[in-house]
Amino acid sequence: QQQVKQSPQSLIVQKGGISIINCAYENTAFDYFPWYQQFPGKGPALLIAIRPDVSEKKEGRFTISFNKSAKQFSLHIMDSQPGDSATYFCAAAYTGGGNKLTFGTGTQLKVEL
Amino acid sequence: NAGVMQNPRHLVRRRGQEARLRCSPMKGHSHVYWYRQLPEEGLKFMVYLQKENIIDESGMPKERFSAEFPKEGPSILRIQQVVRGDSAAYFCASSQGQGQFKNIQYFGAGTRLSVL
Repeated sequence: QQQVKQSPQSLIVQKGGISIINCAYENTAFDYFPWYQQFPGKGPALLIAIRPDVSEKKEGRFTISFNKSAKQFSLHIMDSQPGDSATYFCAAAYTGGGNKLTFGTGTQLKVEL
Repeated sequence: NAGVMQNPRHLVRRRGQEARLRCSPMKGHSHVYWYRQLPEEGLKFMVYLQKENIIDESGMPKERFSAEFPKEGPSILRIQQVVRGDSAAYFCASSQGQGQFKNIQYFGAGTRLSVL
């Protein structure tokens, strides 16, 4: 019940296109859903996060869409750039239970020229 | 404003040796989390600590692994008698634990442990 399932495992997008990564969770107690970006050899960096009382959150080219009834959330990267090429992780946490993050398995994004 | 500092960045140990990984949280942060990342996998929670207290160690292997966050100094993740399966990247994250941004965890660059 603690799993977070992420897809696709890898994604190739043309420069200027839209990158879409999907996640699904099982534990209805989760109430905090962040997305992290990780470059090779680096630690994960927080991109954007959402709470279940909001269906969408946008920050620059990054948008989270959240569907509470379906227990799904997704990351959209608009106008994808080669510099966006990285591994993206979705995560979920129950903030009343210590806030430990349960991560998805990651999506390797490559943005081609 | 230094971020989360982890050292060493790379650590090589032979089977049976001990590994000590250190983590200094961001200034003002009193909550520390340790995660392990195996090759081609996501991060897995290990332990959550506050100063001088282990809050949640549900992700820690029962044997050989321990963690501490003393009143003074960095948090330490200790692995005794390492085995090849311990080879992984170990990440530390810290958070404020209170206030508007209490849930945000900031990650260090990790320690890559290789067991020969």
